[in-house]
Amino acid sequence: AQSVTQLGSHVSVSEGALVLLRCNYSSSVPPYLFWYVQYPNQGLQLLLKYTTGATLVKGINGFEAEFKKSETSFHLTKPSAHMSDAAEYFCAVFLHEGDDYKLSFGAGTTVTVRA
Amino acid sequence: ETGVTQTPRHLVMGMTNKKSLKCEQHLGHNAMYWYKQSAKKPLELMFVYSLEERVENNSVPSRFSPECPNSSHLFLHLHTLQPEDSALYLCASSQDVFNEQFFGPGTRLTVL
Repeated sequence: AQSVTQLGSHVSVSEGALVLLRCNYSSSVPPYLFWYVQYPNQGLQLLLKYTTGATLVKGINGFEAEFKKSETSFHLTKPSAHMSDAAEYFCAVFLHEGDDYKLSFGAGTTVTVRA
Repeated sequence: ETGVTQTPRHLVMGMTNKKSLKCEQHLGHNAMYWYKQSAKKPLELMFVYSLEERVENNSVPSRFSPECPNSSHLFLHLHTLQPEDSALYLCASSQDVFNEQFFGPGTRLTVL
């Protein structure tokens, strides 16, 4: 079984401050991990992904995430928030084992940025 | 036109109506997906097609009927829906089932 938990449904940060969005997963085999962003009235857009290799992955718009197997986490960060970062963010876990695969999304975290 | 497109962008229908949602991808991908996005709930995967064959159906009610006539097009046929089916319906595609997905803008469905 697998599940994705995003801690905090809403995060508010000041412009220029650190953005930290938390994602934890449960999986019996190594997962593929994704972060997506959704702007109002739009579909989801991939920010970054982890499949294998380097555990620190860099994505678009200055975001990065680190896969920590021991903590079963894939937290998303950005050193300095910009007003344009206001959106909803989704963590997703893709699990592939033999012929069976599952893709699960977290409930999402809404980010607001204060001027 | 590039990417994943969805039509219509907004749809209002009664419970006795029959309508269809359309998705088209111009990326040469082999897999396509339908998702339901409701407020305050995780994204729900409804259907997965790979090379025009349905490979996953997550216990979706039969009032939702998908159709994939070719690798570029995906439809979701709707009939006798319920008000709780009101949501944003997202289509996505990927090179293969195991790859990152590209999403369309969604169809905002309201069932009266």
